[in-house]
Amino acid sequence: QKEVEQDPGPLSVPEGAIVSLNCTYSNSAFQYFMWYRQYSRKGPELLMYTYSSGNKEDGRFTAQVDKSSKYISLFIRDSQPSDSATYLCAIRGAGGTSYGKLTFGQGTILTVHP
Amino acid sequence: KAGVTQTPRYLIKTRGQQVTLSCSPISGHRSVSWYQQTPGQGLQFLFEYFSETQRNKGNFPGRFSGRQFSNSRSEMNVSTLELGDSALYLCASSATEGEGTIYFGEGSWLTVV
Repeated sequence: QKEVEQDPGPLSVPEGAIVSLNCTYSNSAFQYFMWYRQYSRKGPELLMYTYSSGNKEDGRFTAQVDKSSKYISLFIRDSQPSDSATYLCAIRGAGGTSYGKLTFGQGTILTVHP
Repeated sequence: KAGVTQTPRYLIKTRGQQVTLSCSPISGHRSVSWYQQTPGQGLQFLFEYFSETQRNKGNFPGRFSGRQFSNSRSEMNVSTLELGDSALYLCASSATEGEGTIYFGEGSWLTVV
């Protein structure tokens, strides 16, 4: 079983839709949670970072963490064609074995059509 | 503020050769880590450097190595290239090691023929 599981999609939605992206993880030592967006042939771009259970909002993006269920989500409101990309959840632990190390989900390919 | 800079962006090498990739972290960031991204395996952690010392290592063979210089710039080297080494190699930097955000560069696309 992978440490981080993410539905690879693909996910196709109309412009203006609310998008929900999800990941589950197995290691309770994971403490820091990130979402990245990656356009084709580009590096991952950090969207959201959080380290506590609950919601964190930034513009059209909301990151949700439920540590008791080991479940994280990213919601995109009013989705735009420019949001079409691969979305990656990434998680890191604390302490020496986590130095610089993110464990990634497989990525979800999202297409927002006009 | 400049982001993480990687060079070269694209390169083609022959099996058996070696390659060196370079990374300049965000100014003030002291931790540099490297990742390999392939369609089949996704993003996998290679190693992390802090203060010129390798502090963490992923599950890759010894052909993969790296180093960090006193100005925090880093290089990674792959020796005796194999076809399976074809991938996007990503460098990432963060201000500290154990917490905080990690920012990625655009990557170096390596094709081994």
